[in-house]
Amino acid sequence: QVQLQESGPGLVKPSGTLSLTCAVSGDSISVNKWWSWVRQPPGKGLEWIGEIYYTGDTNYNPSLKSRVTMSVDTSKNQFSLRLNSVTAADTAVYYCARLLVAPAILFDYWGQGSPVTVSS
Amino acid sequence: DIQMTQSPSSLSASGGDRVTITCRASQSIGRYLNWYQQKLEKAPKLLIYAASNLQSGVPSRFSGSGSGTEFTLTISSLQPEDFATYYCQQSYSTPRTFGQGTKLEIK
Repeated sequence: QVQLQESGPGLVKPSGTLSLTCAVSGDSISVNKWWSWVRQPPGKGLEWIGEIYYTGDTNYNPSLKSRVTMSVDTSKNQFSLRLNSVTAADTAVYYCARLLVAPAILFDYWGQGSPVTVSS
Repeated sequence: DIQMTQSPSSLSASGGDRVTITCRASQSIGRYLNWYQQKLEKAPKLLIYAASNLQSGVPSRFSGSGSGTEFTLTISSLQPEDFATYYCQQSYSTPRTFGQGTKLEIK
């Protein structure tokens, strides 16, 4: 059974950096899949942040690209998100998800979500 | 970016009803369309992928159809556990975008 588990601070100060890690179990992060981050502001819809391949290749949402960095640690079977210069608009539940690209492109496994509040 | 627009934004229905949710893309996306269900404070759950393929373990009362720019999700006979918010998502190109959601409520 594939499981994803987010971890990281629940509170970040404005202008600071949001850092989250997603630990993957039941699957190898190094096998032909992409690993994604999606967020959901309170009471709002889902926003794709970006995705990373085990080689380090990335795709980012252009709306966040200047502030986002994703990385992967194959030795720990986990991947990470950093979002800098945060504001209150970055307050959201952050989900990590597995992205399959064959035979179809879809998010099939999700973490339970990590709520992050940006506040001083 | 490809914009995804769902209608309606909210819907009231009763158990046993047949319900249809529509998703429109701002440009043709072939059949690169997925549907997710999200219950309160839970992660989204994949229901339908590639427009009409039922994800393993999802009840057969859920079905999807469409191609190009217009897609539908149908629930043939609503069950109590189906009251949730539904999102479409295009996987044709990045940035991967979602519809704004359709909240299905009990009448």
